[in-house]
Amino acid sequence: EPEVTQTPSHQVTQMGQEVILRCVPISNHLYFYWYRQILGQKVEFLVSFYNNEISEKSEIFDDQFSVERPDGSNFTLKIRSTKLEDSAMYFCASSEVGTNYGYTFGSGTRLTVV
Amino acid sequence: AQTVTQSQPEMSVQEAETVTLSCTYDTSENNYYLFWYKQPPSRQMILVIRQEAYKQQNATENRFSVNFQKAAKSFSLKISDSQLGDTAMYFCAFFGIKAAGNKLTFGGGTRVLVKP
Repeated sequence: EPEVTQTPSHQVTQMGQEVILRCVPISNHLYFYWYRQILGQKVEFLVSFYNNEISEKSEIFDDQFSVERPDGSNFTLKIRSTKLEDSAMYFCASSEVGTNYGYTFGSGTRLTVV
Repeated sequence: AQTVTQSQPEMSVQEAETVTLSCTYDTSENNYYLFWYKQPPSRQMILVIRQEAYKQQNATENRFSVNFQKAAKSFSLKISDSQLGDTAMYFCAFFGIKAAGNKLTFGGGTRVLVKP
């Protein structure tokens, strides 16, 4: 079964450093997403991406965050200057265009900011 | 904006017994989809079951079934014949057809502990 792949599975970074979280969505999916889950809390939407541009973003997704699809397979989330409160599990997901049931999540990247 | 509420932070159940998790949501849309996701200790998000709002028949997936009450905006999950591997966080999620960006809105989760 096709999978969404995320790397790394765990990243530790110093406060103020830049991090890039990487994702390989399912190949025939055209919608890509990032979600965040702070430990013990609900899963929160960050951003969706379609046709090489941001489709929707939440209030969490401020100027410190950016997304990119640098080639035909990768989808990245960059945090420019990490803060302690950015520590969370970050999930990438992808879906087919306009669908609701083809939503597949990756296994997540645990980001720890120290 | 849509909201999803899971009023039970934690539930425990004996192995082989049945447990029901509640979920309510608020929306002004008529066409939407509802989901239950399972998050085991590995923290991966696994789709358990989904329900289309236009379908009156409740979805069933093996030991998992839902009770969808559209008028009441309620979407509960029943786990029958609970197994130790069902121990996990369970999240209810809403997807509105008109939602910008195709985003899912999640509830706060219910932790299920299956006891041997």
